[in-house]
Amino acid sequence: GENVEQHPSTLSVQEGDSAVIKCTYSDSASNYFPWYKQELGKRPQLIIDIRSNVGEKKDQRIAVTLNKTAKHFSLHITETQPEDSAVYFCAAGPDNKLTFGGGTRVLVKP
Amino acid sequence: EAQVTQNPRYLITVTGKKLTVTCSQNMNHEYMSWYRQDPGLGLRQIYYSMNVEVTDKGDVPEGYKVSRKEKRNFPLILESPSPNQTSLYFCASTGGGASNEQFFGPGTRLTVL
Repeated sequence: GENVEQHPSTLSVQEGDSAVIKCTYSDSASNYFPWYKQELGKRPQLIIDIRSNVGEKKDQRIAVTLNKTAKHFSLHITETQPEDSAVYFCAAGPDNKLTFGGGTRVLVKP
Repeated sequence: EAQVTQNPRYLITVTGKKLTVTCSQNMNHEYMSWYRQDPGLGLRQIYYSMNVEVTDKGDVPEGYKVSRKEKRNFPLILESPSPNQTSLYFCASTGGGASNEQFFGPGTRLTVL
């Protein structure tokens, strides 16, 4: 089955700086790569996703890049704000059978 | 309001006492799944269902059962809970088609003593 590794497990950044989270996956058949944000005590919510036929996608301050050859994808958050503090999860798989990474706890320091 | 609901939200029980966590969605989604969340392990899929009467094992199905008799409901059953099933459980539904966004329920925190 699919195996997703996510790094780093914790990330502390100064407000206004950029944050980058990286994930690798093992199954070349995976074609869907979403990123979820989970605030403390809340449910995970989709923030951005990308399909295997696209190399990069951007939505305001967040962007995701995908390298199918190397089997890795990354989340980039620019101009970080305190409200970006949360746990972020990457996932990979066919459409409906996602495997999640272990999560990255991001702390944005004011 | 489009949503996924779970009940109960919190449950403390004892080893061996059967329990059911309910999950319901009002978005007419075909695909539903159950996850457990443990520190450092992310979200691990327990079971999923592609449609009514169609269910399949996820990555960690041992000790769990599910059923899908109606499209909107997907209960998770622990026939004989054990302490290693203490976890935070999330139900999710997906509309499919162009959107693969999984909508998560609010979570159920289960403690098995």
